[in-house]
Amino acid sequence: GEDVEQSLFLSVREGDSSVINCTYTDSSSTYLYWYKQEPGAGLQLLTYIFSNMDMKQDQRLTVLLNKKDKHLSLRIADTQTGDSAIYFCAESMAFSGGYNKLIFGAGTRLAVHP
Amino acid sequence: DGGITQSPKYLFRKEGQNVTLSCEQNLNHDAMYWYRQDPGQGLRLIYYSQIVNDFQKGDIAEGYSVSREKKESFPLTVTSAQKNPTAFYLCASSIDSGHYSNQPQHFGDGTRLSIL
Repeated sequence: GEDVEQSLFLSVREGDSSVINCTYTDSSSTYLYWYKQEPGAGLQLLTYIFSNMDMKQDQRLTVLLNKKDKHLSLRIADTQTGDSAIYFCAESMAFSGGYNKLIFGAGTRLAVHP
Repeated sequence: DGGITQSPKYLFRKEGQNVTLSCEQNLNHDAMYWYRQDPGQGLRLIYYSQIVNDFQKGDIAEGYSVSREKKESFPLTVTSAQKNPTAFYLCASSIDSGHYSNQPQHFGDGTRLSIL
């Protein structure tokens, strides 16, 4: 079945690295995404990784993909208070008619404290 | 600036009333989506549309209806048949819904619907 799982809460000290983990179920997923949601707002696309890659770096963000274990992680270096938000992992799945569906995890709430 | 505009930001519904949430995009995207978000849960797909004049039910379509008469607009009606409508509603769009290319979905800022 479709299932994307994330831990619900992460607390880190300002300046430390944050690592948010995600597991997914569909080995045929082509793209995996990380979105950020601030309070009362929509989802902002942070980064993505293609399934034939195992790592992608984009400034303070590093995405690691272990396709064998269906495990995805997002590392935020030098975490700042502005990084406090909910982070969603999503996998892209193909449905009939070529339709592309995103399956979202429940989100990880990142709290950054001084 | 290109983007997705949802309105209103807050909406209140009385018992037995239908309400319509607006979603407009100027990104020239073919595909549009409606999601419902409840506290502590991920996003659940209500309806999606791959092209003008066509739309399909998502995972939780009961009690909702949509139309796609124009490429840039995908309004969602929450009908009186939806018994638990209180939630945060998010509209999204993507270039098209093809699976084998990178098709990130871009989101509006959401509409929060509450029951009076």
